[in-house]
Amino acid sequence: GNSVTQMEGPVTLSEEAFLTINCTYTATGYPSLFWYVQYPGEGLQLLLKATKADDKGSNKGFEATYRKETTSFHLEKGSVQVSDSAVYFCALSPKGGGADGLTFGKGTHLIIQP
Amino acid sequence: DSGVTQTPKHLITATGQRVTLRCSPRSGDLSVYWYQQSLDQGLQFLIQYYNGEERAKGNILERFSAQQFPDLHSELNLSSLELGDSALYFCASSVSTSPSGELFFGEGSRLTVL
Repeated sequence: GNSVTQMEGPVTLSEEAFLTINCTYTATGYPSLFWYVQYPGEGLQLLLKATKADDKGSNKGFEATYRKETTSFHLEKGSVQVSDSAVYFCALSPKGGGADGLTFGKGTHLIIQP
Repeated sequence: DSGVTQTPKHLITATGQRVTLRCSPRSGDLSVYWYQQSLDQGLQFLIQYYNGEERAKGNILERFSAQQFPDLHSELNLSSLELGDSALYFCASSVSTSPSGELFFGEGSRLTVL
Protein backbone atom coordinates (compact mmCIF):
# COMPACT_ATOMS: atom_id res chain seq x y z
CA GLY A 1 0.00 0.00 0.00
CA ASN A 2 0.87 3.66 0.02
CA SER A 3 2.97 5.11 2.81
CA VAL A 4 4.83 8.28 3.72
CA THR A 5 7.82 8.47 6.02
CA GLN A 6 9.08 11.73 7.41
CA MET A 7 11.70 12.62 9.97
CA GLU A 8 10.68 12.45 13.58
CA GLY A 9 10.56 15.64 15.58
CA PRO A 10 10.68 17.87 17.30
CA VAL A 11 13.13 19.79 15.18
CA THR A 12 14.47 22.85 16.98
CA LEU A 13 16.23 25.60 15.05
CA SER A 14 17.27 29.17 15.63
CA GLU A 15 15.69 31.98 13.66
CA GLU A 16 17.23 32.47 10.20
CA ALA A 17 18.60 28.91 10.12
CA PHE A 18 18.23 26.68 7.06
CA LEU A 19 15.48 24.08 7.28
CA THR A 20 15.20 20.65 5.75
CA ILE A 21 12.46 18.19 6.65
CA ASN A 22 12.92 14.86 4.91
CA CYS A 23 10.03 12.98 3.34
CA THR A 24 10.08 9.74 1.37
CA TYR A 25 7.16 7.81 0.01
CA THR A 26 6.06 4.41 -1.23
CA ALA A 27 3.35 4.27 -3.85
CA THR A 28 2.49 2.58 -7.10
CA GLY A 29 2.66 4.77 -10.16
CA TYR A 30 3.25 8.49 -9.87
CA PRO A 31 1.35 10.06 -7.02
CA SER A 32 0.76 13.73 -6.32
CA LEU A 33 2.76 14.97 -3.33
CA PHE A 34 1.87 17.59 -0.75
CA TRP A 35 3.13 19.40 2.28
CA TYR A 36 0.50 20.52 4.76
CA VAL A 37 1.13 22.69 7.82
CA GLN A 38 -0.75 22.72 11.10
CA TYR A 39 -0.36 25.78 13.31
CA PRO A 40 -1.23 25.44 17.01
CA GLY A 41 -4.96 25.06 17.57
CA GLU A 42 -5.78 25.01 13.87
CA GLY A 43 -6.56 22.48 11.17
CA LEU A 44 -4.15 21.48 8.44
CA GLN A 45 -3.67 23.79 5.49
CA LEU A 46 -1.96 23.15 2.20
CA LEU A 47 1.54 24.61 2.03
CA LEU A 48 2.64 23.39 -1.39
CA LYS A 49 2.23 20.55 -3.83
CA ALA A 50 3.78 18.87 -6.88
CA THR A 51 1.95 16.62 -9.28
CA LYS A 52 4.71 15.13 -11.44
CA ALA A 53 8.36 14.21 -11.33
CA ASP A 54 10.84 17.11 -11.15
CA ASP A 55 8.09 19.57 -10.33
CA LYS A 56 8.99 22.07 -7.63
CA GLY A 57 6.27 23.30 -5.31
CA SER A 58 6.86 26.58 -3.50
CA ASN A 59 5.01 28.89 -1.14
CA LYS A 60 5.91 31.36 1.63
CA GLY A 61 9.64 30.74 1.09
CA PHE A 62 9.25 26.95 1.39
CA GLU A 63 10.19 24.66 -1.48
CA ALA A 64 10.04 20.95 -2.24
CA THR A 65 11.05 19.07 -5.39
CA TYR A 66 9.39 15.84 -6.52
CA ARG A 67 12.24 13.34 -6.95
CA LYS A 68 11.00 10.15 -8.57
CA GLU A 69 14.38 8.44 -8.57
CA THR A 70 14.72 8.74 -4.80
CA THR A 71 10.95 8.76 -4.07
CA SER A 72 11.43 11.88 -2.00
CA PHE A 73 9.80 15.26 -1.47
CA HIS A 74 11.99 17.06 1.08
CA LEU A 75 10.79 20.41 2.43
CA GLU A 76 13.32 23.27 2.57
CA LYS A 77 13.43 26.90 3.59
CA GLY A 78 16.45 29.13 3.48
CA SER A 79 15.77 31.26 6.55
CA VAL A 80 13.13 30.23 9.07
CA GLN A 81 11.16 32.57 11.29
CA VAL A 82 9.55 32.10 14.68
CA SER A 83 6.17 32.19 12.93
CA ASP A 84 7.12 29.00 11.03
CA SER A 85 6.81 27.01 14.24
CA ALA A 86 4.17 24.39 13.47
CA VAL A 87 3.69 20.72 12.61
CA TYR A 88 4.47 19.84 8.99
CA PHE A 89 2.89 16.85 7.25
CA CYS A 90 4.04 15.24 4.03
CA ALA A 91 1.26 13.49 2.11
CA LEU A 92 0.54 11.70 -1.15
CA SER A 93 -2.44 11.02 -3.32
CA PRO A 94 -2.37 8.21 -5.86
CA LYS A 95 -2.54 9.33 -9.49
CA GLY A 96 -6.15 9.75 -10.49
CA GLY A 97 -7.26 9.66 -6.91
CA GLY A 98 -7.63 6.56 -4.87
CA ALA A 99 -9.65 4.72 -2.31
CA ASP A 100 -7.46 5.76 0.59
CA GLY A 101 -7.87 9.50 0.59
CA LEU A 102 -4.65 11.33 1.24
CA THR A 103 -1.95 9.28 2.96
CA PHE A 104 -0.10 11.39 5.53
CA GLY A 105 3.20 11.03 7.28
CA LYS A 106 3.17 11.26 11.07
CA GLY A 107 4.16 14.92 11.06
CA THR A 108 7.27 16.81 12.10
CA HIS A 109 7.01 19.34 14.89
CA LEU A 110 9.18 22.36 14.08
CA ILE A 111 10.18 24.77 16.82
CA ILE A 112 11.95 28.01 15.89
CA GLN A 113 13.67 29.86 18.70
CA PRO A 114 14.36 33.62 18.52
CA ASP B 1 -10.41 30.41 8.00
CA SER B 2 -10.75 27.37 5.74
CA GLY B 3 -14.53 27.62 5.46
CA VAL B 4 -14.98 24.15 6.99
CA THR B 5 -16.88 24.18 10.28
CA GLN B 6 -16.73 21.42 12.85
CA THR B 7 -18.73 21.08 16.04
CA PRO B 8 -18.23 20.54 18.87
CA LYS B 9 -14.65 21.71 19.31
CA HIS B 10 -14.22 19.73 22.50
CA LEU B 11 -16.13 16.76 23.85
CA ILE B 12 -15.58 14.74 27.01
CA THR B 13 -17.51 11.54 27.54
CA ALA B 14 -17.29 8.15 29.20
CA THR B 15 -16.46 4.71 27.88
CA GLY B 16 -19.39 2.92 26.31
CA GLN B 17 -21.11 6.13 25.26
CA ARG B 18 -22.00 7.37 21.79
CA VAL B 19 -21.18 10.78 20.28
CA THR B 20 -21.86 12.58 17.02
CA LEU B 21 -19.43 14.95 15.40
CA ARG B 22 -20.70 17.38 12.80
CA CYS B 23 -19.02 18.96 9.80
CA SER B 24 -20.15 21.63 7.36
CA PRO B 25 -17.96 21.68 4.26
CA ARG B 26 -16.76 24.72 2.41
CA SER B 27 -19.42 26.27 0.21
CA GLY B 28 -19.49 24.46 -3.13
CA ASP B 29 -17.46 21.46 -2.00
CA LEU B 30 -19.15 18.12 -2.61
CA SER B 31 -16.60 15.81 -0.99
CA VAL B 32 -16.19 15.39 2.75
CA TYR B 33 -13.38 13.42 4.37
CA TRP B 34 -12.99 12.34 7.98
CA TYR B 35 -9.57 11.85 9.58
CA GLN B 36 -8.53 10.76 13.05
CA GLN B 37 -5.37 12.24 14.53
CA SER B 38 -3.73 10.60 17.52
CA LEU B 39 -0.23 10.79 18.93
CA ASP B 40 0.65 7.18 18.21
CA GLN B 41 -1.12 6.65 14.86
CA GLY B 42 -0.71 10.06 13.30
CA LEU B 43 -3.36 11.20 10.83
CA GLN B 44 -5.52 8.30 9.67
CA PHE B 45 -8.08 8.48 6.88
CA LEU B 46 -11.46 7.18 8.01
CA ILE B 47 -14.01 7.72 5.27
CA GLN B 48 -15.00 9.91 2.34
CA TYR B 49 -18.41 10.98 1.06
CA TYR B 50 -19.18 12.63 -2.24
CA ASN B 51 -22.51 14.30 -2.83
CA GLY B 52 -24.25 12.11 -0.29
CA GLU B 53 -22.72 8.78 -1.18
CA GLU B 54 -19.89 6.89 0.43
CA ARG B 55 -16.87 7.11 -1.86
CA ALA B 56 -13.97 5.55 -0.04
CA LYS B 57 -13.36 3.85 3.25
CA GLY B 58 -10.12 3.77 5.19
CA ASN B 59 -9.28 2.62 8.68
CA ILE B 60 -12.72 3.15 10.11
CA LEU B 61 -13.85 0.87 12.91
CA GLU B 62 -17.19 -0.91 12.72
CA ARG B 63 -18.26 1.04 15.83
CA PHE B 64 -17.94 4.22 13.78
CA SER B 65 -20.28 5.33 11.02
CA ALA B 66 -20.79 8.43 8.96
CA GLN B 67 -23.22 9.97 6.56
CA GLN B 68 -23.54 13.00 4.34
CA PHE B 69 -26.89 14.74 4.16
CA PRO B 70 -28.61 16.44 1.19
CA ASP B 71 -27.37 19.84 2.36
CA LEU B 72 -23.85 18.29 2.19
CA HIS B 73 -23.08 18.50 5.88
CA SER B 74 -21.69 15.31 7.36
CA GLU B 75 -21.85 13.56 10.68
CA LEU B 76 -19.46 11.04 12.17
CA ASN B 77 -21.02 8.76 14.76
CA LEU B 78 -18.77 7.04 17.27
CA SER B 79 -20.36 4.40 19.50
CA SER B 80 -19.33 2.04 22.30
CA LEU B 81 -16.49 4.43 22.95
CA GLU B 82 -13.20 3.17 24.30
CA LEU B 83 -10.30 5.01 25.89
CA GLY B 84 -8.30 4.54 22.70
CA ASP B 85 -10.85 6.52 20.72
CA SER B 86 -9.62 9.70 22.37
CA ALA B 87 -8.22 11.75 19.51
CA LEU B 88 -8.65 14.80 17.37
CA TYR B 89 -11.13 14.19 14.56
CA PHE B 90 -10.78 16.33 11.47
CA CYS B 91 -13.19 16.91 8.68
CA ALA B 92 -11.92 18.12 5.31
CA SER B 93 -13.67 19.03 2.11
CA SER B 94 -12.82 19.39 -1.55
CA VAL B 95 -14.59 20.22 -4.77
CA SER B 96 -13.96 16.95 -6.56
CA THR B 97 -14.14 13.26 -5.78
CA SER B 98 -10.39 12.90 -5.83
CA PRO B 99 -8.08 14.07 -3.05
CA SER B 100 -5.40 14.90 -5.59
CA GLY B 101 -6.40 18.50 -5.29
CA GLU B 102 -6.35 20.63 -2.18
CA LEU B 103 -8.21 19.53 0.91
CA PHE B 104 -9.60 22.19 3.23
CA PHE B 105 -9.55 21.15 6.87
CA GLY B 106 -11.69 22.22 9.76
CA GLU B 107 -10.17 22.96 13.16
CA GLY B 108 -11.09 19.55 14.48
CA SER B 109 -13.17 18.07 17.27
CA ARG B 110 -11.16 16.92 20.24
CA LEU B 111 -12.73 13.85 21.84
CA THR B 112 -11.68 12.72 25.29
CA VAL B 113 -13.01 9.40 26.54
CA LEU B 114 -12.67 8.87 30.29
